[in-house]
Amino acid sequence: DIQMTQSPSSLSASVGDRVTITCRASQSISSYLNWYQQKPGKAPKLLIYAASSLQSGVPSRFSGSGSGTDFTLTISSLQPEDFATYYCQQSYSTPTTFGQGTRLEIK
Amino acid sequence: QVQLQESGPGLVKPSQTLSLTCTVSGGSISSGGYYWSWIRQHPGKGLEWIGYIYYSGSTYYNPSLKSRVTISVDTSKNQFSLKLSSVTAADTAVYYCARDPDSSGSFDYWGQGTLVTVSS
Repeated sequence: DIQMTQSPSSLSASVGDRVTITCRASQSISSYLNWYQQKPGKAPKLLIYAASSLQSGVPSRFSGSGSGTDFTLTISSLQPEDFATYYCQQSYSTPTTFGQGTRLEIK
Repeated sequence: QVQLQESGPGLVKPSQTLSLTCTVSGGSISSGGYYWSWIRQHPGKGLEWIGYIYYSGSTYYNPSLKSRVTISVDTSKNQFSLKLSSVTAADTAVYYCARDPDSSGSFDYWGQGTLVTVSS
């Protein structure tokens, strides 16, 4: 299975900050990388698919980049509703696997 | 708007079989173009993909669970189901059903999730 490693595991930031979360794959996954946001008690929500494509309805302050083994999710200006846990997922090979999550907390 | 809804017992005894159903509304499973997955999340932990089914009945399971998992589809009811046999406390988790557009392998619609506890 392809291992997905996110960093940091947790992050404190303030409203208006620019935040970057990193995801690294244990082998090349081309651009088969997706990002999700999950709030407590809720299902994950798809933000970015195919490394850099914004899912319909997701605010443009979210962006994704990368290919191969290294990927980033950037939130350009944090809003109060963005405090949540973020997961990356590789869909290059089956079984699909997720990162361990990055918890974004209010500073 | 596509919606998915999980249903099934919230408590299962050890060694028994966990059974859940996902009902899809706002779209037809039999129209094709999507894979229908089960994903679970252990309390306070990350996400684990269990397996998927296509409307034709083709399935693929996570090798880590393959010996205990069966996913089936009932297109007449627009539902797909999960059976996980010989459960232990380690199978206690929130179980989600989700839709995967087969072009990207991402999950664009999810059910709200249902907590299944394995306990005697």
